[in-house]
Amino acid sequence: GQQLNQSPQSMFIQEGEDVSMNCTSSSIFNTWLWYKQDPGEGPVLLIALYKAGELTSNGRLTAQFGITRKDSFLNISASIPSDVGIYFCAGPSGTYKYLFGTGTRLKVLA
Amino acid sequence: DTGVSQNPRHKITKRGQNVTFRCDPISEHNRLYWYRQTLGQGPEFLTYFQNEAQLEKSRLLSDRFSAERPKGSFSTLEIQRTEQGDSAMYLCASSARHTSYEQYFGPGTRLTVT
Repeated sequence: GQQLNQSPQSMFIQEGEDVSMNCTSSSIFNTWLWYKQDPGEGPVLLIALYKAGELTSNGRLTAQFGITRKDSFLNISASIPSDVGIYFCAGPSGTYKYLFGTGTRLKVLA
Repeated sequence: DTGVSQNPRHKITKRGQNVTFRCDPISEHNRLYWYRQTLGQGPEFLTYFQNEAQLEKSRLLSDRFSAERPKGSFSTLEIQRTEQGDSAMYLCASSARHTSYEQYFGPGTRLTVT
């Protein structure tokens, strides 16, 4: 079945560093969504991408819809301690069903 | 706009008991989703409502699970005869018709079955 694989699974970075993570699919997606989840809370939508090649920013976050439509990338510039959390990619895998990735756990060292 | 709310936030129950969770979506959102999330995993889709109609159910939703959305407003998720494997975070999300891909999640209900 469809899977969304995220890389890296986890990462430790120093405050101020830039962060890059990606999400790959075995099949084509028409929409990519990026969420952040804090411990004990629901995911929060960060960025939505609707078109191959699209590059969208939200503050220090920038996400790109891969031109093959099988991948997406999220970059965080100048990381700060509150960036810590789990980042999920997601996309529609049917008419109404949504598929979430395996997550990238980010820890920021002050 | 107060966001998506879920109650209770935490529920501890003994195996074999029935539990019911409630989700109140964002008021103008007509689409509502339930997900289950186990530790270290991403959310897994359970079911989808458009207004009061349940239009899709995952195979994960066994016969012991039932969801309703009477009048197209709040929704309930009931688990009958709970099992230890049901222990998870149950998340509700809602979206608007014109931005249906952009789902907004509630804080979740953490279920522990002992």
